[in-house]
Order: sequence, then C-alpha cells, then structure tokens
Amino acid sequence: GAGVSQTPSNKVTEKGKYVELRCDPISGHTALYWYRQSLGQGPEFLIYFQGTGAADDSGLPNDRFFAVRPEGSVSTLKIQRTERGDSAVYLCASSQDPTDTQYFGPGTRLTVL
Amino acid sequence: QKEVEQDPGPLSVPEGAIVSLNCTYSNSAFQYFMWYRQYSRKGPELLMYTYSSGNKEDGRFTAQVDKSSKYISLFIRDSQPSDSATYLCAMMGISNFGNEKLTFGTGTRLTIIP
Repeated sequence: GAGVSQTPSNKVTEKGKYVELRCDPISGHTALYWYRQSLGQGPEFLIYFQGTGAADDSGLPNDRFFAVRPEGSVSTLKIQRTERGDSAVYLCASSQDPTDTQYFGPGTRLTVL
Repeated sequence: QKEVEQDPGPLSVPEGAIVSLNCTYSNSAFQYFMWYRQYSRKGPELLMYTYSSGNKEDGRFTAQVDKSSKYISLFIRDSQPSDSATYLCAMMGISNFGNEKLTFGTGTRLTIIP
C-alpha cells in the first residue's frame, strides 16, 4: 500500500510570502503529526491531529503557523509571512492509533530567500 | 539541556564491523523508545520499536533500553555499506491524548567503509 505522501517535495519562496504544505497520510490512519527538521538536527514536533481536531499544537512556534485536517485525512500546514528562519524540511507522519508506530513521509524542503 | 542527547558523529567503521549507537535522556516519563534510519533527503524509516526496558532483536539489529540509567542503544552486526545513513533515536511518553509527540535526538551520521 501507499505510504505517507507530501507535496510539494521542494518549495522556494520569498520572505514575507504565504505557503501551504500538503500531507496525505496512510489510508485509515487516524493520527497525523507534523514535524520540522533543521539541518543537522532531529525532527521537532509541531502539531498532532486525532481525526479532524488538533489534539496537541504545543510545538507550533508562533501564530504564523497553522494546520488543518478538515475531513480527518489530508492535512495542510500553512505558514504566513514566511521568514528565513522557517527554512527547513517539514515532515508529516501518520499512525493507525495513538500507541502505534509513526510512519513518515519524505518531507517538503522549504527554502525562504 | 536537551531532553534527548545523541552524539552527532560522524562515525565511520569498516564493513563487517559491529556498530554501537546510543542516546541518553532526562525525562523519566518516556516509555516508548524507537530507532529510525534516515537516508539523505528522505524521511525517517522505523527500524526498532521497544516498550520499557529490555532487549529486542531483529535480524542484524539489536535495541537495548535501560530505563534505570536512562540510556538506550542500537547495535548493528555485520555492517554493510547500505547501512550508511543517519540514525535517529526517538522517545515517547503517554499523555492525556493517549499518545504524545516523538522527541528525537540530533541523529548520528554513520558511514560504513567497503
């Protein structure tokens, strides 16, 4: 079966612009996670969805970051007024239930010029 | 101080050697321990998943967890050039949500020399 997919694979934008990053989880997985990985670092948690609701958004760095999962499947991470410090790989993961393994997508590499 | 500490390496070993990777942590609430492998420009791929203390073996890979010392290890036997990657330890507790975020180490970059 298909794994977690993320689009686009690469995104280059200018400082101040708005971007949307998309995640398609594994079919049937109710839990969805967003992480951010900076160069030479491990992934850092951003937000966790259980179904349609954001169960834990404690990792979002500020109010420029927002994520939705309106139908409990696909999720979109939205970043307003992008800054150069937002440049990183944004990873999405999904799991079948809260205690199950998290399976990661290939990530979206965001570069803010 | 970070919750999870991992030596970033780089670590280079000859093909066929035994590789030892490890992490220490400070949060006693962590109960689930994982090792992920990440190739360049790819997402992390789960290698081992362990609950609480003890050993777990899967093929050439062995994971060890010592909760009393807050120390986890991954051993790779008969290392192959295809094992060259970054190895990330990850940990998770249990929250009111029934699950919790993974907390990762920085990753150790491993190269197996043919």
